[in-house]
Amino acid sequence: DAGITQSPRHKVTETGTPVTLRCHQTENHRYMYWYRQDPGHGLRLIHYSYGVKDTDKGEVSDGYSVSRSKTEDFLLTLESATSSQTSVYFCAIKKGTVPYEQYFGPGTRLTVT
Amino acid sequence: SQQGEEDPQALSIQEGENATMNCSYKTSINNLQWYRQNSGRGLVHLILIRSNEREKHSGRLRVTLDTSKKSSSLLITASRAADTASYFCATDNSGGYQKVTFGIGTKLQVIP
Repeated sequence: DAGITQSPRHKVTETGTPVTLRCHQTENHRYMYWYRQDPGHGLRLIHYSYGVKDTDKGEVSDGYSVSRSKTEDFLLTLESATSSQTSVYFCAIKKGTVPYEQYFGPGTRLTVT
Repeated sequence: SQQGEEDPQALSIQEGENATMNCSYKTSINNLQWYRQNSGRGLVHLILIRSNEREKHSGRLRVTLDTSKKSSSLLITASRAADTASYFCATDNSGGYQKVTFGIGTKLQVIP
């Protein structure tokens, strides 16, 4: 599992509340990614990071922010959760700097009611 | 929009048969990867094929890449019930930060 953990694994929250999801890695890899997975859409990139305090937007970044204050942690924040953000969220890392594969965490199932 | 599109979206076969999944993409790529996802789990990398390669093997997996047609296929030979999963292709055309774009996947069911 490449030493990736996500917390929480499941969360139910109400519309309008802020939510933070955490991704933690134990191997000090530079690249980290947040995806959401929805039926009919596959995985879509939300934000990614290429180092401490270095982040950039992905394909579906509206309504999300991220932070990376240390190598091992990449936080995804939903500033004000909406029902359209109900999804399964996956964190991934990439080992190395050449086009190596990505390693995924176990996912967080988020339900916004 | 998705870069890769898998075909078929669902496939059901008997154990022992071969399974073939296809992926088409729109723009030029650096490499193409295939991932497997078991129900309720994260994705697991299966195989990567670079844009200058035409075929690659890994165990029971065979991947082909045709850059002129912008398509790839994943063949799983002698399928097993444990191969039941969703399979995704992911294309890397980012150059810089190694972003990949995933297709919507093929759901494979292998019937024992």
